[in-house]
Amino acid sequence: AQSVTQLGSHVSVSEGALVLLRCNYSSSVPPYLFWYVQYPNQGLQLLLKYTSAATLVKGINGFEAEFKKSETSFHLTKPSAHMSDAAEYFCAVSGAAGGSYIPTFGRGTSLIVHP
Amino acid sequence: GAGVSQSPSNKVTEKGKDVELRCDPISGHTALYWYRQRLGQGLEFLIYFQGNSAPDKSGLPSDRFSAERTGESVSTLTIQRTQQEDSAVYLCASSLEIRNTGELFFGEGSRLTVL
Repeated sequence: AQSVTQLGSHVSVSEGALVLLRCNYSSSVPPYLFWYVQYPNQGLQLLLKYTSAATLVKGINGFEAEFKKSETSFHLTKPSAHMSDAAEYFCAVSGAAGGSYIPTFGRGTSLIVHP
Repeated sequence: GAGVSQSPSNKVTEKGKDVELRCDPISGHTALYWYRQRLGQGLEFLIYFQGNSAPDKSGLPSDRFSAERTGESVSTLTIQRTQQEDSAVYLCASSLEIRNTGELFFGEGSRLTVL
């Protein structure tokens, strides 16, 4: 079965600081990986996705993530945090061992941005 | 509408009552998914539809939960004899088709509170 682990339920940064949200997946075959963002009282929306092309993926709002097969990781980064980045971030995997086309989501990481 | 629409946005019910949650997917999207999001937890997959068929119902938590989809459009998630542990946000998502590289488009969710 495919699974995703997001390290840290909460991450707190100062405005302008580097954002790093961690995601590790389990899979014996190349997976497809996603980051979604959920703003308060809204549904999830796609930030970026990895589908076996370039290992460094750029998304919306200045976010990017790097697929590292050797580390089974897909960490999300942003060089400089903005107050508007405060939200819940979910990592998801699909197409991993077992061939499931249904995305499996991590528990989420709440990003808190301080002025 | 342009996005996934869910209703009601909020539902408060008494333990033992039945509830119905509705999802209107994006027009033309053949795949539809239901997830449950409990407070402080990630997304728990419940069921998906390819067209009007639900190939795998194993994600439904108990036989009190059922779902249907008609006209390859609207879907209804029904919870019978609600229990307090059913309290959660129920998220619906749709995608063009079931494929592991596809983006899911989420509605804003239906928040269910069982007293």
